[in-house]
Amino acid sequence: GAVVSQHPSWVICKSGTSVKIECRSLDFQATTMFWYRQFPKQSLMLMATSNEGSKATYEQGVEKDKFLINHASLTLSTLTVTSAHPEDSSFYICSARGERGAPYEQYFGPGTRLTVT
Amino acid sequence: GQNIDQPTEMTATEGAIVQINCTYQTSGFNGLFWYQQHAGEAPTFLSYNVLDGLEEKGRFSSFLSRSKGYSYLLLKELQMKDSASYLCAVVDSNYQLIWGAGTKLIIKP
Repeated sequence: GAVVSQHPSWVICKSGTSVKIECRSLDFQATTMFWYRQFPKQSLMLMATSNEGSKATYEQGVEKDKFLINHASLTLSTLTVTSAHPEDSSFYICSARGERGAPYEQYFGPGTRLTVT
Repeated sequence: GQNIDQPTEMTATEGAIVQINCTYQTSGFNGLFWYQQHAGEAPTFLSYNVLDGLEEKGRFSSFLSRSKGYSYLLLKELQMKDSASYLCAVVDSNYQLIWGAGTKLIIKP
């Protein structure tokens, strides 16, 4: 149980275009979802936290107009990278937190590798 | 500020034992997680400690000392598949996970 899926698993897009990444909790209701970015050989960097039905809370330095997050239901959150540039190329990982597991445990999706050319 | 320290990289031999340390200074404490992350994959849960002491789960054990702001992950009978990064994360007073930079563990035959 506690499975989180992400789609797509990898995407290549041209500079200036937008890309949408979906994160779904498959067998539990995720009251909170998190979006992370990870550059090679670096640790996870939290981008934003979203609660179902409310606006996402962005970490300092993360442009909310560039990284649009929507958490429309208890099982789905989306991250849209708008006007992508090569420096946005990274591994994007979502996680979800619900009522399962250890307190505050986050269940991670498999990640999406974005390459902007 | 909030800070979590782990060694950047460790090397160990197959079949041996290795201990990965984590020290933390955070605003509040509501538990500590250890996650395993293989290259190019998402992190997977290993352990959660909120009380002092040792939690054992198969070949992996995790220890916590809240007074010292210290935890370690102990891996026994190392296997090649244990080669991965190990991430320490603390739940702070806002119930957010504060992540360490991770320890890359290299297992040699």
